[in-house]
Amino acid sequence: NAGVTQTPKFQVLKTGQSMTLQCAQDMNHEYMSWYRQDPGMGLRLIHYSVGAGITDQGEVPNGYNVSRSTTEDFPLRLLSAAPSQTSVYFCASRSGRASNQPQHFGDGTRLSIL
Amino acid sequence: DAKTTQPNSMESNEEEPVHLPCNHSTISGTDYIHWYRQLPSQGPEYVIHGLTSNVNNRMASLAIAEDRKSSTLILHRATLRDAAVYYCILTSGGGADGLTFGKGTHLIIQP
Repeated sequence: NAGVTQTPKFQVLKTGQSMTLQCAQDMNHEYMSWYRQDPGMGLRLIHYSVGAGITDQGEVPNGYNVSRSTTEDFPLRLLSAAPSQTSVYFCASRSGRASNQPQHFGDGTRLSIL
Repeated sequence: DAKTTQPNSMESNEEEPVHLPCNHSTISGTDYIHWYRQLPSQGPEYVIHGLTSNVNNRMASLAIAEDRKSSTLILHRATLRDAAVYYCILTSGGGADGLTFGKGTHLIIQP
């Protein structure tokens, strides 16, 4: 029972490099989202998707792109990495669009930008 | 978004019940009360949620005040594995919103 799978678990980048954080879920969930968590803080929403082909911005979208070509996958792209993007990134999914449904989270990607 | 207020930290002994409070005085009639927890170096984990009535599941119980301005997460018999940050979060029922996390309550369990 895989749930939400994130890869890689750890990554170190240099400023200006680009990369894609992968997220896949095997629960056929419509809703997927990306959060970042800075030290000692709660999670903040970056982007979300309510279904394949539909994405929208969250609280902190600048510097990140997303796309949703399939129900299963929701990759997060950093176009030009900056030290301020050093954080732990979590992907989540839930069944249905209604926000009262529980969300399932991956184990995170720990990203350091030098 | 309606906000929640939780104590920064709480401490309890192993095998004793734990009551984690949450105040949400500006809650609206359609807001659900969710609890998540985050163990060290892991993603958040759903614990329980409710609207008006008290709720029980295999992990915990949720007691909701009659006026809905506060709620309490109850761990009936804490274990060392329950040591985590617990987040109380409000969500509106019909929207496509994400979760708004505060700093939560850091629960420490003493053996």
